[in-house]
Amino acid sequence: EAGVAQSPRYKIIEKRQSVAFWCNPISGHATLYWYQQILGQGPKLLIQFQNNGVVDDSQLPKDRFSAERLKGVDSTLKIQPAKLEDSAVYLCASSPGQGRSGANVLTFGAGSRLTVL
Amino acid sequence: QKEVEQDPGPLSVPEGAIVSLNCTYSNSAFQYFMWYRQYSRKGPELLMYTYSSGNKEDGRFTAQVDKSSKYISLFIRDLQPSDSATYLCAMTDNYGQNFVFGPGTRLSVLP
Repeated sequence: EAGVAQSPRYKIIEKRQSVAFWCNPISGHATLYWYQQILGQGPKLLIQFQNNGVVDDSQLPKDRFSAERLKGVDSTLKIQPAKLEDSAVYLCASSPGQGRSGANVLTFGAGSRLTVL
Repeated sequence: QKEVEQDPGPLSVPEGAIVSLNCTYSNSAFQYFMWYRQYSRKGPELLMYTYSSGNKEDGRFTAQVDKSSKYISLFIRDLQPSDSATYLCAMTDNYGQNFVFGPGTRLSVLP
């Protein structure tokens, strides 16, 4: 079974520029999550999708962050404009989805490391 | 009070020893409890997964959940240098709608 794929692995931009991250979850997984992990901290949920609908985006800074999962498979997270404090690893995770076996287990990708200068 | 708190570490422990990693939480709705291991520059990987209170053992790893005290632990026996990583506790409610992670404990195993 292929894992969660993310790209790019590393990105360096200047503040006020924009950046986009891509995630392809495990095949058949209905639920997709984007987490932000700042150095030395645990992952913080940014947004959760169930198929192509948003379940929770309460911690997404909507003035600069956006995410979509148009066909219920892969997803893109965008930051525009970036701030210094957005420097972090952006982790994508997926799970089978509510009511399905293993629904409460997340499988993570390797992450996309963003540095904002 | 943060929703999930975890011993901050870092911990340095000799090879072959036993270590206990601990988390406390405040939300009584949490029912599923997980431990993830994260190596440097990698995504977290699932180690242990338990439901409600009790113990679960898997090889050198034992997870304990005490819902009455809102306290969970991960014991690792016979530590190996390859166990050097950050350990994250995580928990969620019955619906999988509120995954929350602890801040992580960095563990170094000294050969």
